Amino acid sequence: EIVLTQSPATLSLSPGERATLSCRASQSVSSFLAWYQQKPGQTPRLLIYDTSNRATGIPARFSASGSGTDFALTISSLEPEDFAVYYCQQCYNWPPTFGQGTKVEIK
Amino acid sequence: EVQLVESGGGLVQPGGSLRLSCAASEFTFSNYWMHWVRQAPGKGLVWVSRIHSDGSTTSYADSVKGRFTISRDNAKNTLYLQMNSLRAEDTAVYYCARDPSRGSGPFDPWGRGTLVTVSS
Repeated sequence: EIVLTQSPATLSLSPGERATLSCRASQSVSSFLAWYQQKPGQTPRLLIYDTSNRATGIPARFSASGSGTDFALTISSLEPEDFAVYYCQQCYNWPPTFGQGTKVEIK
Repeated sequence: EVQLVESGGGLVQPGGSLRLSCAASEFTFSNYWMHWVRQAPGKGLVWVSRIHSDGSTTSYADSVKGRFTISRDNAKNTLYLQMNSLRAEDTAVYYCARDPSRGSGPFDPWGRGTLVTVSS
C-alpha cells in the first residue's frame, strides 16, 4: 500500500495570501495524483486530477504540480471560501490511498 | 446535475448489520466503477470498497474484508454496501463516489454521506 504524507498538518494564512501544500508518496505514483477539498460538514470535492488538471468548475487560482513521489497544490490568493481541509489521493495503485489532510485555517 | 444520495445509516450495536444504499441519477450509472469511502468523526478519508461497472469485480480494504459486501443494481441505478459484524471502529460517515477513470479514482462526485454509529 502506498502511503501519502501531507505537510504541513495545518497552514495558518490570511485571505489574499498564497498557500502551498505538499504531498509525498512512499513510492512513485507517476502522475496519478488527485486533490480534494473538504469544508466543515460538507462532502469532499475533487479539485485536481492527474497531478495538474483542474476538475470542472474549479477556479484558476488552484494549481498543482509534481511527479513521481513529490506533489504540490498551490492556491495563488486565498479567498474566504478556500479555508478548508485538503486531501491528496493516489490513483496509481490499488488500493487507492489518501493523505491525512492539510487544514488551511484563517490566521 | 450528477447526483449520489446515500441512505441506510444509523445506530447499530456491535456485531450487528446494516445495508447502505446509494442512489445515482443524471448519468449512465452502468458505465462507471463505484466506490465507498468512509470518514470517522474528526478523521481523514479511508477507501473501503469498489465495484466494476458491470459488477464483475469487487475489492475491499483489509479492515472490512469478509464482513462487508459491495454490490450494485444497474437497472435501479443503485449501489449497495452490506455491512455485517460491525465494530465500534466502523463508526464513520460513509460516502459513495463515482470513479470516471480506471478503478482507483479519482472520485467525482461524492454523495453527501450517511452516518453509521456502532455502539451499545
